[in-house]
Amino acid sequence: GAVVSQHPSWVICKSGTSVKIECRSLDFQATTMFWYRQFPKQSLMLMATSNEGSKATYEQGVEKDKFLINHASLTLSTLTVTSAHPEDSSFYICSAAQGAGEKLFFGSGTQLSVL
Amino acid sequence: GESVGLHLPTLSVQEGDNSIINCAYSNSASDYFIWYKQESGKGPQFIIDIRSNMDKRQGQRVTVLLNKTVKHLSLQIAATQPGDSAVYFCAENGGNEKLTFGTGTRLTIIP
Repeated sequence: GAVVSQHPSWVICKSGTSVKIECRSLDFQATTMFWYRQFPKQSLMLMATSNEGSKATYEQGVEKDKFLINHASLTLSTLTVTSAHPEDSSFYICSAAQGAGEKLFFGSGTQLSVL
Repeated sequence: GESVGLHLPTLSVQEGDNSIINCAYSNSASDYFIWYKQESGKGPQFIIDIRSNMDKRQGQRVTVLLNKTVKHLSLQIAATQPGDSAVYFCAENGGNEKLTFGTGTRLTIIP
């Protein structure tokens, strides 16, 4: 099946710093990628839809200035958590589909811990 | 709002037995459903999917059943193995390519 690569797998940072997470589709082009957030023992919550060549679409309650999304190419989307605080500590997961209506493949996730 | 939920948060099954994980959905417009398996510290792994024009689909050791009348989805895993221990999520696509995930069921296989 299709492969989605996410990097880094985990990151520890100090409060106030910014962290960038990369999501790549390795063997297919993805005009749309999705970013999810997952707290321990909870389900995945969609944060935003990343659109290649245009602005991301954010879900209600997600601060677009805090979670910057850039989808500069058909194989790469990045999520930058700006001025991270301890409450931003979470498991962030990206996903991409090979086409509209196709199944989503997920990255391996990034565990962010903000001290 | 629309939601996807699971009946049981945890399920323990003896190794070798069959397991059934259930999921209820409320968006009658959903036309595509997927089951994912998530192991600790990893991203969700695709297991099987089904479209609304079907009521059953089989894969390797897994079967998904869809009952649109009662908006119910189930995942059956045959002859469970220790490696099947994980959290299982159902997800629905309401037509806008966004997936809505259920709350998840933790499946534990007892040796």
